Amino acid sequence: AIQLTQSPSSLSASVGDRVTISCRASQGISSALAWYQQEPGKAPKLLIFDASTLESGVPSRFSGSGSGTDFTLTISSLQPEDFATYYCQQFNNFPHRITFGGGTKVEIK
Amino acid sequence: EVQLLESGGGLVQPGGSLRLSCAASGFTYISYTMSWVRQAPGKGLEWVSCVSNYDTSTYYADSVKGRFTISRDNSKNTLYLQMNSLRAEDSAVYFCAKVGYYASGYWYFDLWGRGTLVTVSS
Repeated sequence: AIQLTQSPSSLSASVGDRVTISCRASQGISSALAWYQQEPGKAPKLLIFDASTLESGVPSRFSGSGSGTDFTLTISSLQPEDFATYYCQQFNNFPHRITFGGGTKVEIK
Repeated sequence: EVQLLESGGGLVQPGGSLRLSCAASGFTYISYTMSWVRQAPGKGLEWVSCVSNYDTSTYYADSVKGRFTISRDNSKNTLYLQMNSLRAEDSAVYFCAKVGYYASGYWYFDLWGRGTLVTVSS
């Protein structure tokens, strides 16, 4: 089974900072990767799909990049509402399997 | 309003059974693959199962295969998860999620319910 390793597991940052989160797959997954944001006590929200495509309605300060095994989520200028936990997710077509990364918690410095 | 609403969670003893439901509204339910994703208290997200649209093919995580059964009733716009032989490690918030349409054909979750809590304990 494909594993996803996120780093760091947590980080502290200030409003206005540029933040990058990494997600590494145990084997190549082409661009079959998404990023989600989850605030405490709420359901996850899709931010990025196909590694780099912004979901409708998501602010442009969020961006994704990468393909194969190494992927990155970037927040260009951290806003107060961005303090949350972020997860990557991959889809494997054969057999159909879905895996999430362990999460990265973004906290206020 | 486009939404998913889960129900059926609760406290159950180890070895017991529980059936979760997810009522969908605001979109053409039959057209979409649906899924269950769970999150143990203070932990990350774990995919549980999916059922495809139309042909209703089913897929399971290894951790629940043989114990959980996903199904859907397209006439009622409802998704189900029958959970048998429950273990303490199945304790989690269970989210219902919709798989969106993407040109790539990959499966991502574009709509989530609020979740229902399942606690397995004696």
